[in-house]
Amino acid sequence: EAQVTQNPRYLITVTGKKLTVTCSQNMNHEYMSWYRQDPGLGLRQIYYSMNVEVTDKGDVPEGYKVSRKEKRNFPLILESPSPNQTSLYFCASSLKGGQHEQYFGPGTRLTVT
Amino acid sequence: QKEVEQDPGPLSVPEGAIVSLNCTYSNSAFQYFMWYRQYSRKGPELLMYTYSSGNKEDGRFTAQVDKSSKYISLFIRDSQPSDSATYLCAMSGYLNFGNEKLTFGTGTRLTIIP
Repeated sequence: EAQVTQNPRYLITVTGKKLTVTCSQNMNHEYMSWYRQDPGLGLRQIYYSMNVEVTDKGDVPEGYKVSRKEKRNFPLILESPSPNQTSLYFCASSLKGGQHEQYFGPGTRLTVT
Repeated sequence: QKEVEQDPGPLSVPEGAIVSLNCTYSNSAFQYFMWYRQYSRKGPELLMYTYSSGNKEDGRFTAQVDKSSKYISLFIRDSQPSDSATYLCAMSGYLNFGNEKLTFGTGTRLTIIP
């Protein structure tokens, strides 16, 4: 089944404790992206990757890091999480950059206390 | 001012009613207009997309774009309880030029009452 998977689905952590949210797609997509979804603000892009070893900032990259060492994986790293990073996070992929159809993962709900 | 404005609702209508969901936008460079549907505890999934102005129909769903008014709509006919979800409009400029990111509305939560 073609899909985007994220882990963990739910995470509660404390300020400053480094964490990684994994994202994997099995569709051989070149483009992958991370979004956060907050009430009243909608989906905002954090980082994106056009292909392996090619990443760039989206609209709200502060406090986040990403890497793309393999085509299928695109982990999101929070080196020192803060409470304002409490949010619902989605990973998405598409065949190439600039595609209108992006396939989203199921989401990771992160709470930072 | 946000680039894309969408009434968050919530919107509740009886089963069988016609539903109208709308977004307005300010960026005249937007050329591609999409509607994503997001069920509770799920990621968004593409429902429909249109290019430039005009209408597009797919079953019970019709997407309409009026670029002169910077206004897009999604109509759902014969609404069903399974249509209950959050509907997100999304827009983009010229695609296939790299990271032509999607700019999303905040979403409208829709409930169809049996």
